[in-house]
Amino acid sequence: DADVTQTPRNRITKTGKRIMLECSQTKGHDRMYWYRQDPGLGLRLIYYSFDVKDINKGEISDGYSVSRQAQAKFSLSLESAIPNQTALYFCATSDGRGPNTEAFFGQGTRLTVV
Amino acid sequence: AQSVAQPEDQVNVAEGNPLTVKCTYSVSGNPYLFWYVQYPNRGLQFLLKYITGDNLVKGSYGFEAEFNKSQTSFHLKKPSALVSDSALYFCAVRGHFGNEKLTFGTGTRLTIIP
Repeated sequence: DADVTQTPRNRITKTGKRIMLECSQTKGHDRMYWYRQDPGLGLRLIYYSFDVKDINKGEISDGYSVSRQAQAKFSLSLESAIPNQTALYFCATSDGRGPNTEAFFGQGTRLTVV
Repeated sequence: AQSVAQPEDQVNVAEGNPLTVKCTYSVSGNPYLFWYVQYPNRGLQFLLKYITGDNLVKGSYGFEAEFNKSQTSFHLKKPSALVSDSALYFCAVRGHFGNEKLTFGTGTRLTIIP
């Protein structure tokens, strides 16, 4: 089983709909992140959480919200999806030992908003 | 604000030749630098990271990276390219304690030509 699991893997939704992307991890890490990947733009940080009570906005948080339900679970919501939110979304985790520890990524969720 | 630049969107290398994928960074304080690889329809996989004091870092799959503080660069290298090295490569930087967001470059697509 994967250490960082994202569900769903693929989703097509209509403009205006609310959608939730879920991430769970078995690595025991404190820190969790949501990124979106767009061609030519690389990965951009949406939200990050350093523990259950700590939620922080990233570069592109407008139109998104998150919930850290437990140490192992971090969900990303699109309150009212729009077509330019069509992208590949990644969840990542890292431990809190220090800034030189690598992040581990899920397989990604491909979201299409029509 | 911290940032990463990958100046080449695409790098083509003949199989068996050495390869270099370029990365420059900007961050306050000591840099914490990483390389990741993404194969088609997969998440990001960690390749290697900079460890303070080691200007040449060795990682997975025969890759290494050369850190140059004066040029603020962290170029990815491999002495002899394989067709299986064809993928999308991302450089990332994390700041020091208290500013530990992981910031990615826009990615470089590496194609190894048989």
